[in-house]
Amino acid sequence: AQTVTQSQPEMSVQEAETVTLSCTYDTSENNYYLFWYKQPPSRQMILVIRQEAYKQQNATENRFSVNFQKAAKSFSLKISDSQLGDTAMYFCAFMKRSYGGSQGNLIFGKGTKLSVKP
Amino acid sequence: DTGVSQNPRHKITKRGQNVTFRCDPISEHNRLYWYRQTLGQGPEFLTYFQNEAQLEKSRLLSDRFSAERPKGSFSTLEIQRTEQGDSAMYLCASSYLIDDRGEQYFGPGTRLTVT
Repeated sequence: AQTVTQSQPEMSVQEAETVTLSCTYDTSENNYYLFWYKQPPSRQMILVIRQEAYKQQNATENRFSVNFQKAAKSFSLKISDSQLGDTAMYFCAFMKRSYGGSQGNLIFGKGTKLSVKP
Repeated sequence: DTGVSQNPRHKITKRGQNVTFRCDPISEHNRLYWYRQTLGQGPEFLTYFQNEAQLEKSRLLSDRFSAERPKGSFSTLEIQRTEQGDSAMYLCASSYLIDDRGEQYFGPGTRLTVT
């Protein structure tokens, strides 16, 4: 069975600074996706960034980037130039990938509550 | 497209009552997922559909829970004889089968409170 662990229940960062959220996972699968999802207060969950396990290059999306260490089973999220709107719960998630490209369910960590302070 | 919608957004019920939630996925999405999220936890998978077929159910989905997706469009999740432990946010997500990016699009959730 796969597990996802987020060891930082809460973090805070000053506006415009950089923050890194940690995530580790455990799996025996070789073909999978990793995701970071953002859940703002009282709003729906949205995808921040995704990483395919077979790609060595770390994914980036504007101010968001990941450090994917497959051997260490580590998948951290770096947010640069933090903005007040980044305040949210951040969930790391794992999905096994089938060779046909079909998708399975997401396995989430417990989340990290990020507060961006002005 | 307006995204994934869920109704009602909030539901308060007394223990022992039955409740039903509805999810309307993004129109061209043929996969639909149900998750449950309790306070301070990440979402946990309950079940998913591909078109109208229910392909997988988690062990979390007890006999009191039933989900349907008639005609492969909207889905309903029913909880019979609710218990206080059923209090949670119920999230629905949808995705397009051929989308190899693996992305699931989430609805706003239905918050259930069992008193």
